[in-house]
Amino acid sequence: GAVVSQHPSRVICKSGTSVKIECRSLDFQATTMFWYRQFPKQSLMLMATSNEGSKATYEQGVEKDKFLINHASLTLSTLTVTSAHPEDSSFYICSASPRTNTEAFFGQGTRLTVV
Amino acid sequence: GNSVTQMEGPVTLSEEAFLTINCTYTATGYPSLFWYVQYPGEGLQLLLKATKADDKGSNKGFEATYRKETTSFHLEKGSVQVSDSAVYFCALSDPTNAGKSTFGDGTTLTVKP
Repeated sequence: GAVVSQHPSRVICKSGTSVKIECRSLDFQATTMFWYRQFPKQSLMLMATSNEGSKATYEQGVEKDKFLINHASLTLSTLTVTSAHPEDSSFYICSASPRTNTEAFFGQGTRLTVV
Repeated sequence: GNSVTQMEGPVTLSEEAFLTINCTYTATGYPSLFWYVQYPGEGLQLLLKATKADDKGSNKGFEATYRKETTSFHLEKGSVQVSDSAVYFCALSDPTNAGKSTFGDGTTLTVKP
């Protein structure tokens, strides 16, 4: 089946530093990947749609300069949290679709803690 | 826009009890519907799905039927186990972009021995 892998699964960083999270589709090519954020005991909220070879599309209220998304290849999208602060601590989950307009498969998630 | 409304939790049941978690949706067009499960500290796992009206998704004793007339996709299990304790999310995929998902708020299930 379609497998999506995220790395790292957990990361702790100091306030003011930047953190990069990778999302890879292991056995399929994905022209589109999605990034979600989940606050403790809450649901998943779509942050942005990552398009291979073009700029990401951000949801309303998401700071594009804060959350940099790069979809460098058909199997890799990265989310960089720049100048992280404690309020950025959250669970970040990516998903990817094998083909246009088909269901997406989710990664395992990355728990970011900013201290 | 699309939205998913889930039964509020938390839900606490005794082992072998019957489980129902209600889910209704609003969408333009015909979305696919999903139930995901999230165990503490872990990511999402797809539990079951249905892609068209009257389809029944089932897995590990859980089932849900896509009801277009009531725009619902209620999750049921006849006899829950302690190991079913987790957070359950109902979700739909955007009819115009199936990779894009909208989630309900999640329902926390605790099963006591």
